Amino acid sequence: GENVGLHLPTLSVQEGDNSIINCAYSNSASDYFIWYKQESGKGPQFIIDIRSNMDKRQGQRVTVLLNKTVKHLSLQIAATQPGDSAVYFCAERHAGYSTLTFGKGTMLLVSP
Amino acid sequence: DADVTQTPRNRITKTGKRIMLECSQTKGHDRMYWYRQDPGLGLRLIYYSFDVKDINKGEISDGYSVSRQAQAKFSLSLESAIPNQTALYFCATSDLGTSQSTDTQYFGPGTRLTVL
Repeated sequence: GENVGLHLPTLSVQEGDNSIINCAYSNSASDYFIWYKQESGKGPQFIIDIRSNMDKRQGQRVTVLLNKTVKHLSLQIAATQPGDSAVYFCAERHAGYSTLTFGKGTMLLVSP
Repeated sequence: DADVTQTPRNRITKTGKRIMLECSQTKGHDRMYWYRQDPGLGLRLIYYSFDVKDINKGEISDGYSVSRQAQAKFSLSLESAIPNQTALYFCATSDLGTSQSTDTQYFGPGTRLTVL
């Protein structure tokens, strides 16, 4: 697989644990945020998104929390599975712009 | 995502060669993007296009050019490849954006380019 995980922060968890991946974003004017998952050798895959007028959004086994006061985004994964092992990226869209700015990513390692 | 395809998947070339990476999509999206990914650096935007007649530079466009041949096709060229262009290259697409849109981008599988 590709070495995109080199030099990234790493979170190691046991199968069945809940995982929390954090992201500090840069622009207080950002109005839209996305979490992506990238498995080895693959392109980033959309997981969940949230607009700035919300502070929480839930999907299947995943929850995104947005704290605009401190410009912080988190991704919670419930009952983490080995298949969740990947690099996770947050991305933000600055209001008035039409492109995304990506964070550097966090590697999640899930042990059986 | 099989809706976004990239060719080639892997390419090794020599310094000074011209290289073209191609991207096709069947999602019917208007917007297309090219990114490069380097270890530990995340995704950086090279060029993007909001429709066939629209081309915009991204964060790191120097040394690259693009062509939007049709709504479904967006190609990236390296006119004279150099070793520091060795990276993973990703194409992405999204719907036409409005203030109410989500601008979710959908990525292809990537092209691994090595410049010797």
